[in-house]
Amino acid sequence: ELVLTQSPGTLSLSPGERATLSCRASPSISSSHLVWYQHKPGQAPRLLIYGASSRATGIPDRFSGSGSGTDFTLTISRLEPEDFAVYYCHHYDTSRPHTFGGGTKVEIK
Amino acid sequence: QVHLVESGGGVVQPGRSLRLSCAASGFTFSSYGMHWVRQAPGKGLEWVAVIWYDGSIEYYADSVKGRFTISRDNSRNTLFLQLNSLSAEDMAVYYCARGVWFGEFRYFDYWGQGTLVTVSS
Repeated sequence: ELVLTQSPGTLSLSPGERATLSCRASPSISSSHLVWYQHKPGQAPRLLIYGASSRATGIPDRFSGSGSGTDFTLTISRLEPEDFAVYYCHHYDTSRPHTFGGGTKVEIK
Repeated sequence: QVHLVESGGGVVQPGRSLRLSCAASGFTFSSYGMHWVRQAPGKGLEWVAVIWYDGSIEYYADSVKGRFTISRDNSRNTLFLQLNSLSAEDMAVYYCARGVWFGEFRYFDYWGQGTLVTVSS
């Protein structure tokens, strides 16, 4: 069974700071199927990154993804006020149940 | 543009049933696999079910297998989720999402706003 572990659970930062979010997979997965979403209360989740490192259409370049195998990272280079939200990693499995990480909340310090 | 609008949520007693709908517009619905994902209060996202673009294949999370049924009507551009034998653990906001297979990549590119299911006696 695949497990995606996100850390930290909460990240307290100020606007302008850099955010580094981790998603660890066990066992290892294909980076082609690793996805990151942003989710704000009362809104639909928003696709940020697919294929571990490809930005979705319209996503600002302050968002970047990296990693492979078991360790993946979402980086927000300079936090804007609208970036405070919960971020989820997701493994898109084509033949078994999908898996989401538990989420990382990025909150204003 | 792409729109996904869920409906059918509400308050239901434990053990009862509910049918959710997701109305799709702005794209060729019959070309995409569709998913349901839920979020219980204070919890993270949990994948629930998927149905292939033509309805030929379905997969379910273990937590709902045998109780929930995903279906679609491509003539009406609508996705459904039948929820039976509901319990408190099923209380959540239910989202529909479009699944994309783009070359080697796979992801959900559009999500609805969600519909709330409350299970309470």
